[in-house]
Formats: sequence, structure tokens, C-alpha cells
Amino acid sequence: GAVVSQHPSRVICKSGTSVKIECRSLDFQATTMFWYRQFPKQSLMLMATSNEGSKATYEQGVEKDKFLINHASLTLSTLTVTSAHPEDSSFYICSALKRGRGTEAFFGQGTRLTVV
Amino acid sequence: RKEVEQDPGPFNVPEGATVAFNCTYSNSASQSFFWYRQDCRKEPKLLMSVYSSGNEDGRFTAQLNRASQYISLLIRDSKLSDSATYLCVVTGRGGSQGNLIFGKGTKLSVKP
Repeated sequence: GAVVSQHPSRVICKSGTSVKIECRSLDFQATTMFWYRQFPKQSLMLMATSNEGSKATYEQGVEKDKFLINHASLTLSTLTVTSAHPEDSSFYICSALKRGRGTEAFFGQGTRLTVV
Repeated sequence: RKEVEQDPGPFNVPEGATVAFNCTYSNSASQSFFWYRQDCRKEPKLLMSVYSSGNEDGRFTAQLNRASQYISLLIRDSKLSDSATYLCVVTGRGGSQGNLIFGKGTKLSVKP
């Protein structure tokens, strides 16, 4: 299968600071990447769709000014959590679409964010 | 109605048992359906796609009923390594590929 690398895997930050999470497709080009958030014992919730070279599309209820998404190349999307608060503590996962004979979504390893 | 609904479990079964998971979805426009497996604190991994004709991969059988908007996963001869959370996943609005909507997952625990 394809490889999607997400970094960092774990981060602890102080309230009010910003955190950047990177998602890279290592062996394929991904024009579309997705960012999900998962709270404990909850399902993955789509936050936004990241399209290379254009603005991200955010799901209802997700603040675009707080969760900044940049997809500047075909292999990299970044999510920046700005002015983080303890309630932003969660598991953030990216996925990248690999298009071929079929289309399959491959997931990064996830980033566990803890805001203290 | 939630977009994707699953019985959260947990399902506690002995090794060798057969276990079935069910899932319903609300968006009749969904085009693609999947079962993913997620181990604790890990990313989801594709287990299998679900086709209208049903599909089987070793001990795993998935079925889709579009009329009832219902998906199932059957695991035969359960192994300890099958212990995980199984996520029912459908494509989202407009059936857009990759816009995946996840159920909350069904937790399976296989005991010796």
C-alpha cells in the first residue's frame, strides 16, 4: 500500500500557542487530502478537505481561522492549530487520496495533541 | 439520524467464534462503502471494500444492501489478532470519493 507520513506523532503545547502538523504522501501525489479529528471513544470527524493549490473546504462548525490548512504541493498538507486551548486536545489524522485503477484513502499515523 | 450508525459493542467472543457487525447509513447517494480496522491509538487501516454483490476475503465477508442502506461484516474463526475497533465507512455528500464518513466503530475483543 501507499505511505502517508504524519508528523509529529505526539505534541504537548501550552495554551495559546500554535502547533503545526504535517502530512506527506511519500510515494504518490495527492491532489486531495483530508483532515480528521477524533476525540476519545468518538468516531473520526472530518474537519476539512485540503486541495492542492486552492483553499481548503471546511466542514460546518470548524473554524477556518483557527485550523489553518495549507496544501502547497502535491505531497504535503499542513494543519496549524492556532491559539490552542485545552479543548483542542485530540487525535488529529490526515488522509491522502491515491487515484489509480481504484481510489483509496491512506491515513497518516495520527498526531496526539495535548494542550496544557 | 446519524450519517453512519454502528453498534458500539464491545463484542467479547472466544477464539474461533463467528461474529457479525452491522451498520446503517443515511445518505442514499453514497457510492462507496468500506470496513476499516483501527487498533487502539493508531490510524485506521482499510480492511475491505464492500460491493453490492458482496465480497469475501479469507475469514472476512462483507455485504451491502442498498435498498435498506445496510452494511455488514462477518468474521469467521476469530483470532486473538482480530481484536480491534471496526469502522463502517461510507463516502459523503454527493458520493465524493475520499470524503469518508466514519461510524463510531464496533469494538471487538477476542479472548483465548
